[in-house]
Amino acid sequence: AQSVTQLDSQVPVFEEAPVELRCNYSSSVSVYLFWYVQYPNQGLQLLLKYLSGSTLVKGINGFEAEFNKSQTSFHLRKPSVHISDTAEYFCAVSSRSGTYKYIFGTGTRLKVLA
Amino acid sequence: GAVVSQHPSWVICKSGTSVKIECRSLDFQATTMFWYRQFPKQSLMLMATSNEGSKATYEQGVEKDKFLINHASLTLSTLTVTSAHPEDSSFYICSATSRDSRGSPLHFGNGTRLTVT
Repeated sequence: AQSVTQLDSQVPVFEEAPVELRCNYSSSVSVYLFWYVQYPNQGLQLLLKYLSGSTLVKGINGFEAEFNKSQTSFHLRKPSVHISDTAEYFCAVSSRSGTYKYIFGTGTRLKVLA
Repeated sequence: GAVVSQHPSWVICKSGTSVKIECRSLDFQATTMFWYRQFPKQSLMLMATSNEGSKATYEQGVEKDKFLINHASLTLSTLTVTSAHPEDSSFYICSATSRDSRGSPLHFGNGTRLTVT
């Protein structure tokens, strides 16, 4: 079974400041890792994904994330945020074997302040 | 590419009636579709996984007789909430994968806000 933990339910940050959204996972099998963003009353959009290879992955809108296998983490970062980055961010895992399903974390609400 | 259309975007129905939500992949074949339910300010709860032409696999605690899922083609899956009650009010989101590959990202519909009065 897999689980995803996003410890921060809300993260307020001033515009143009850097931000890190934390994600830790637990799994008995190897997983693929994803970050999604959700704007109000909409579905989710893929920000980035880690499948294999380089542990630092870059996504859309200037976001990047680093996979750390020893710490089972996949934290999302952006060096300078904009007001338009205000949204809900979800970390997710998909198992590489066994039952095929995606598991999402509880989400982190990023609020960018002017 | 990889667009998923979900409708209706919102629906209000009376208690005891049934509501059908459609999820279509517009420009790809969706071998697997997932249905999620999202409560306010909470994460997505996986309800069921459906593969084209076979019965859906429901998560523990999800009533399969209440939430009927049909994945009749590679481009269409439907979720029918039968005999809806106010506690079924929620935001329902469908998603689909474009290949039978676990590394494929999900493509999401824009969700359906269901309100049962």
